[in-house]
This record gives sequence, structure tokens and C-alpha cells, in this order.
Amino acid sequence: GENVEQHPSTLSVQEGDSAVIKCTYSDSASNYFPWYKQELGKGPQLIIDIRSNVGEKKDQRIAVTLNKTAKHFSLHITETQPEDSAVYFCAAGYGNKLVFGAGTILRVKS
Amino acid sequence: DTAVSQTPKYLVTQMGNDKSIKCEQNLGHDTMYWYKQDSKKFLKIMFSYNNKELIINETVPNRFSPKSPDKAHLNLHINSLELGDSAVYFCASSLLYEQYFGPGTRLTVT
Repeated sequence: GENVEQHPSTLSVQEGDSAVIKCTYSDSASNYFPWYKQELGKGPQLIIDIRSNVGEKKDQRIAVTLNKTAKHFSLHITETQPEDSAVYFCAAGYGNKLVFGAGTILRVKS
Repeated sequence: DTAVSQTPKYLVTQMGNDKSIKCEQNLGHDTMYWYKQDSKKFLKIMFSYNNKELIINETVPNRFSPKSPDKAHLNLHINSLELGDSAVYFCASSLLYEQYFGPGTRLTVT
């Protein structure tokens, strides 16, 4: 089955700096890679996703890159703001089944 | 006009009791899910229903039984609750790939 590893487990950045979170997956059949943001006491919120036929996708300050050969994908947040502080999860899957990474606690210091 | 809603938000109960969590989505999605998030924030799929039919059933004790009366509702019934069932349970729904999560139900078994 699919296995997703996510690094780092915690990340502290200064406001305005960039943050990068990396994930690797094991199942080459996976074709969908979403990223979720979870704030304290709330459910995970889909922030960006990428399909296996695309190498990069950007939405304002966030971008995701995918390297299918290496089975790596990454989340990039530029110009970080205090409200970006949350737990971020990557996931990989095909069809309806998603396997999640262990999460990254992002702290943006002002 | 909450997209995915769950009740109750908090549930405190004693070992051995039976309890239910309800989920409703008003997005018109065909597929619904139950996830469990443990104390380390690890998010794992439990069940998935598509148009009232069970399509994903992970290795979950048979004390957990999902029920889908229609495609907008997916309930989770748990028999003979154990201490290890304490977690946050999330409902989600999707039309195609993108999954949208509810606010979660924090279950505490004492």
C-alpha cells in the first residue's frame, strides 16, 4: 500500500520568509497529491492540489511541485504571514483513497 | 450554509457505551468518508461510501459501523467504546478527487 513521509515535522520561519515542506510517496500508481492546512480545533482545509500530469501549480503565495520520477512533491509558501501558522498535511492517492503524511507544524514568527 | 457538518462537536462517554456521530454534506457530492485523527495528529481513513455503497473499508474493528441513509448523510456508530477510541473523527466528502472535511467530533472515552 501507499506510504507517505513528510518533513520537517516542525518548521519555524520569520514573517516574510519562505517555507518549504517536502513529501515522498511510495506507490507509483498515485496520481493525486493534495495539501491541507489544519488550524487548531478545525478540520483540514484543502489549500492546493496537483495531479500527476502536471509538474507545478501556483496559487498566489502557495505553490506545489511534483517530481514523479523521484516520487517527491513539495509545498512552497512565500512571504509567510502569522495567519499561515497551522499544521500542514500532504497526501497521496488514486481514486478516492488518500494516504496522509504525518503533518508539519508551521510557526510564523512576527 | 456549512458544507460538511458533524454532530456532536464533543462527545464524552464511558468505556463500554455505544455512541453515534452524524455527518451531513450539502455539496451534492457522491462520496463520503470517515477519518480518525489520533493524539499525534495522524490522519487515517476508516471508511468511504459512494452513493450509499461501501467502497473503502480499512482495517477497523467491527465495533465501528458506518451507515449511509442517503448520499448526503454518513453516520458512524461505535459499539462497546474503548479508551483507545479517543480521537477526533472527521467526516469528508468529494465529487471527484478533492475531499472537503467537516469540523470534527472530539470523542473522549473515560
